[in-house]
Amino acid sequence: QVQLQESGPGLVTPSATLSLTCAVSGGSISSANWWSWVRQPPGKGLQWIGDFYPSGSTNYNPSLQTRVSMSVDSSNSLFSLTLSSVTAADTAVYYCAKRLVRGGVYQFDSWGQGTLVTVSS
Amino acid sequence: DIQMTQSPSSLSASIGDRVTITCRTSQSIINYLNWYQQKPGKAPKLLIYAASSLGSGVPSRFSGSGSGTDFALTISSLQPEDFATYYCQQSYSFVFTFGPGTKVDMK
Repeated sequence: QVQLQESGPGLVTPSATLSLTCAVSGGSISSANWWSWVRQPPGKGLQWIGDFYPSGSTNYNPSLQTRVSMSVDSSNSLFSLTLSSVTAADTAVYYCAKRLVRGGVYQFDSWGQGTLVTVSS
Repeated sequence: DIQMTQSPSSLSASIGDRVTITCRTSQSIINYLNWYQQKPGKAPKLLIYAASSLGSGVPSRFSGSGSGTDFALTISSLQPEDFATYYCQQSYSFVFTFGPGTKVDMK
């Protein structure tokens, strides 16, 4: 089973850009899977941010797509998220996850442990 | 976006109880529905995919049913480790959305 581990700053200043990285181990980041980001504001539910396919294709949540960018560093088995112009509403636990298809249905079957990002001055 | 609702939003139950959580979508999603379990401070864990297929290593007391717009997650005999929050998630649209969650706690 693949393991994922998020890393990045825990505190970001309002209007700045949030940048997170997810390290993938136990499997190839170049395999036929989508690599995803999901976030969860404190005490609230889950929101899918978007995902990235190794070929370079991306799929972003329309509510965030003007501020989101994702990329992959295949040589180091890393994929990254940047979210620009952050506000307090972007304070959340950010998870990276692997999205695959099984039974004809896409699902998030592996998750990182999550990293809390607080937007505050 | 496809909107999702879950009911109840929370429930209290005892060990051994049969528990059913429902999920409704704003349009038909056929069987493109997954269920996740999340414990405090932990990442979600996939329980059920494609509405009724059991995820890897998931105990058989968990089952999923439904199609179209109405789905259910059932725990046949609640165990201590099952106290958690449960989320449904649709994959019919490529704007993936989650339900608001159902918290299961101890009566």
